Formats: sequence, C-alpha cells, structure tokens
Amino acid sequence: AQSVTQLGSHVSVSEGALVLLRCNYSSSVPPYLFWYVQYPNQGLQLLLKYTSAATLVKGINGFEAEFKKSETSFHLTKPSAHMSDAAEYFCAVSASGGSYIPTFGRGTSLIVHP
Amino acid sequence: DTGVSQNPRHKITKRGQNVTFRCDPISEHNRLYWYRQTLGQGPEFLTYFQNEAQLEKSRLLSDRFSAERPKGSFSTLEIQRTEQGDSAMYLCASSLGQGESQPQHFGDGTRLSIL
Repeated sequence: AQSVTQLGSHVSVSEGALVLLRCNYSSSVPPYLFWYVQYPNQGLQLLLKYTSAATLVKGINGFEAEFKKSETSFHLTKPSAHMSDAAEYFCAVSASGGSYIPTFGRGTSLIVHP
Repeated sequence: DTGVSQNPRHKITKRGQNVTFRCDPISEHNRLYWYRQTLGQGPEFLTYFQNEAQLEKSRLLSDRFSAERPKGSFSTLEIQRTEQGDSAMYLCASSLGQGESQPQHFGDGTRLSIL
C-alpha cells in the first residue's frame, strides 16, 4: 500500500521568502515521488520527480525537493517566492506494489503576499 | 506535443441524466488515466488503460461509471443516472511506458455540475 500526507492545507509566505511545502509518504517498496502544481481551472503540471537517481531533485520554476528515506519525506522548496507561484501543490507517490498508479496527497495551497 | 485534450470543459445537467466526457491523450502515450477531483482534494484515481485494455476498474465509484478506450486512442468516461454527489472535476491524464517513473500529463479537466 502507498499513501501521501501533505502537512498544512495552506501555506502563506511573503514574496521573496523561502517556500517549504511538506510531503511524507508511505510505501512498502522503493517509491517514485512527484510534485505537481495546479492553477485554477487547469490540470496538474509536473514540477519535478524523484526516480532514485539523485536525492536532491531540481525542477522547473526554481523548485527543488530532497528525498529523505530515513524520514520518508519529499519536501518541496524554493528559495524565493514569486507572486506567480501562488497555486495548489500536490505530492504523489507511485510504486510497483500499486501498479505504478499514483496516489496523490490532498494538496497544499500556496498563498504569496506582496 | 499538443497536450491532453478534454471535452467538454464544463457540463451542467439535471440529476438522473447520463453524461459522457471525452479525453484525447498525447498521441504516443499508451497509458490513459481518469481521476475525479473534488474541492480541496487531490485527484482520486478511477480507472486506467494501457493501450485499449482497461487494467484497473475496481476503483470506479459505482456501476454507474464506465470508461472505454476503443483502439487505444481517445477515451470516454460515462456516468449514468447522475446524482448530486457526482459534481466534481473529472481529469484525464496520459503517460508513456509501463507507468514506472513516468510522470503523467494532465488535461484541463471537465467540470460537472448536477442541478
């Protein structure tokens, strides 16, 4: 079985501040992990993915995430928030035990204040 | 890469009516997924196809839901005898390969509103 927990349904930051969105996963086999972003009335867009090649993964728009097996975490960060980063962010896990069908977290809404 | 296309973008219907949504995946993608997303939640998996074969349908929400992918190209999701609780965004996604580490490419969804 696999699952994802995203801590905090809303995260509020000032423009230029550090962004940290938390994701913890559960998987009985080595997982693949993803972060997606969703803007209003749109589908999800891939930000980055972890596939075991490197624990620190860099994605688009200046985002990165670090896979920490000991903590079962895959937190998303960005050094400096921009107004255009305001959106809903979803963490997802997939693994062979789940036929590689992703399980998504409930999402974290990022609010960026000027 | 023209992206995943979903039609219609919005559907408003009366309770008890049948509705059908269409998804056109990225042309070379062999996997196609359907999800339901309600307000404040992440996508909830419904079913998926590998080429024309529907490999998982036990998580369709009820027997009122069905999906097809004739010839392994576009797919349709049908909901019969719609209920108020069916109101949601229905997302389609496609990917290449056997799933593994391949990310999914999502369409912009069909928003269903039941009156």
